[in-house]
Amino acid sequence: DAGVTQSPTHLIKTRGQQVTLRCSPISGHKSVSWYQQVLGQGPQFIFQYYEKEERGRGNFPDRFSARQFPNYSSELNVNALLLGDSALYLCASSETVYNEQFFGPGTRLTVL
Amino acid sequence: QKEVEQNSGPLSVPEGAIASLNCTYSDRGSQSFFWYRQYSGKSPELIMFIYSNGDKEDGRFTAQLNKASQYVSLLIRDSQPSDSATYLCAVNQKLVFGTGTRLLVSP
Repeated sequence: DAGVTQSPTHLIKTRGQQVTLRCSPISGHKSVSWYQQVLGQGPQFIFQYYEKEERGRGNFPDRFSARQFPNYSSELNVNALLLGDSALYLCASSETVYNEQFFGPGTRLTVL
Repeated sequence: QKEVEQNSGPLSVPEGAIASLNCTYSDRGSQSFFWYRQYSGKSPELIMFIYSNGDKEDGRFTAQLNKASQYVSLLIRDSQPSDSATYLCAVNQKLVFGTGTRLLVSP
């Protein structure tokens, strides 16, 4: 069975631009969560979605937004990029919000 | 005080030894606990989860949870060089991670 997939793998943007990251969950999983991981740190929770509804939001500015589609895939949008947004963005899926989460390979975003 | 604390390491053990990784958490109401392994340049991989006090074993891995002491640990028996990675402790369903402990297993 296919695991969590994310696209693109790598992305280079300049300050002020906008970016959209995409995630497809494991088949049968209805919940998707997004995390940001900067070098040397553990991942930080950004959003959690379940059945297209936002179920949680971490301590990130309003420049970050997300949504989940009827097929349970998800997008993370970041507006007005800052240098500090450079990180590995991880998507994780789970059957429900109460189950274990499995991570995709991540999207490495570099902001110049 | 950080919500989830881990010693950053590195923790160095010889091949075949037991590696003991520790994690403390601050939220006394926490109910779920996870250990992820992350190789350099890769994403985290779930290796163990535990919800109840006590021990949970899966192959060479044992997770131990003590809610009274707000402490969770991971034991890796018969450590192999391929176990060399960063081990991340995470707490609760909206995963709150520690900074990870780097494990080095020498042949």
